[in-house]
Amino acid sequence: DTEVTQTPKHLVMGMTNKKSLKCEQHMGHRAMYWYKQKAKKPPELMFVYSYEKLSINESVPSRFSPECPNSSLLNLHLHALQPEDSALYLCASSPKTSKAQYFGPGTRLLVL
Amino acid sequence: AQSVAQPEDQVNVAEGNPLTVKCTYSVSGNPYLFWYVQYPNRGLQFLLKYITGDNLVKGSYGFEAEFNKSQTSFHLKKPSALVSDSALYFCAVRDLESGGGADGITFGKGTHLIIQP
Repeated sequence: DTEVTQTPKHLVMGMTNKKSLKCEQHMGHRAMYWYKQKAKKPPELMFVYSYEKLSINESVPSRFSPECPNSSLLNLHLHALQPEDSALYLCASSPKTSKAQYFGPGTRLLVL
Repeated sequence: AQSVAQPEDQVNVAEGNPLTVKCTYSVSGNPYLFWYVQYPNRGLQFLLKYITGDNLVKGSYGFEAEFNKSQTSFHLKKPSALVSDSALYFCAVRDLESGGGADGITFGKGTHLIIQP
């Protein structure tokens, strides 16, 4: 298995909802990442997990909460989001943080 | 600190012609360089990388990139463009000397490549 999968593909939520984005890889990678991408802009790093431990939080608002239950799974819990949080959320993994990252297809999030 | 610049917002090339997408980088140590491609409404696909070795790196879909240390550049090239190559291309860099092992990579702003039939 050489891919990163993300669910759901699309998500529409209200500002009071709680939802979660899921990411999975079975390549044995020990680093996983969440990025946020606005239209026609480069991805912006949100979180890095290395060996299931959070190693970077790029000053992301607390309404985004990451979780890494095991080496294959990465979640992003969403609560009380704002319309400006609407974006494509990309998950990526790499063998370790110094190696090339492989991206999932993304979850397109719309906050109403 | 690490940064990468893609000076062109858009590159237009006729099908069958060679293409070049430019990228320059800035790192304090040695660079680890990448090219990714993104098709509409899709995630990023890894094309190629450079860490050490030959300055000309070959990647997926017939793309290659040339590392030039003196010019701090890593331009993406293809000898003969296809209409299906039309997409958004991102150059990315990581400073190998940044230490800690926990840093993500830094992306350029992206270049739209349009191949005209």
